[in-house]
Amino acid sequence: GNSVTQMEGPVTLSEEAFLTINCTYTATGYPSLFWYVQYPGEGLQLLLKATKADDKGSNKGFEATYRKETTSFHLEKGSVQVSDSAVYFCALTDGNKLVFGAGTILRVKS
Amino acid sequence: DTAVSQTPKYLVTQMGNDKSIKCEQNLGHDTMYWYKQDSKKFLKIMFSYNNKELIINETVPNRFSPKSPDKAHLNLHINSLELGDSAVYFCASSQVSGGFEQYFGPGTRLTVT
Repeated sequence: GNSVTQMEGPVTLSEEAFLTINCTYTATGYPSLFWYVQYPGEGLQLLLKATKADDKGSNKGFEATYRKETTSFHLEKGSVQVSDSAVYFCALTDGNKLVFGAGTILRVKS
Repeated sequence: DTAVSQTPKYLVTQMGNDKSIKCEQNLGHDTMYWYKQDSKKFLKIMFSYNNKELIINETVPNRFSPKSPDKAHLNLHINSLELGDSAVYFCASSQVSGGFEQYFGPGTRLTVT
């Protein structure tokens, strides 16, 4: 089945630093790709998505581009805030379900 | 208005007991899911129902039994609880025609002692 690999965390940054969280995938066909975010004590929330190659998903200053040639969907943000501290999950469709990566913990210090 | 709700939020129980977790969604979605999240945040799908029909049943002990009385509800019953069942359980819903965007509940933290 399809699978996704994320960079291990935790990632610790200072406020206003640039963020990249790497995500690569293995899939047959053309899956849709997602980033979800989980704030402490809460459920996952959809952050952004892309449904086909070269699509760019963006939301709340975060963005990720569906790169078919490198099978990647890296998450970026130009200037992180303390409130961005959370666990970030990359995911892709596999038939009638989503497959999630292991999650990357992001800690932003003021 | 809460989109996906779960009860209870916390559940502490002893080994061998039977417990249930309830989930309700008011989004009008046709598909609901149960996930288990372990202490390292790894998220694994357990079950999925589409229009009350079981469509995904991952390798889960048969002590776990989902029940969907209608499209808006998906409950999880666990028999003979074990220490390894301690985790956070998330319910989610989606509209399959909507591209698999899933909406998650707040989670139920189950602790088995």
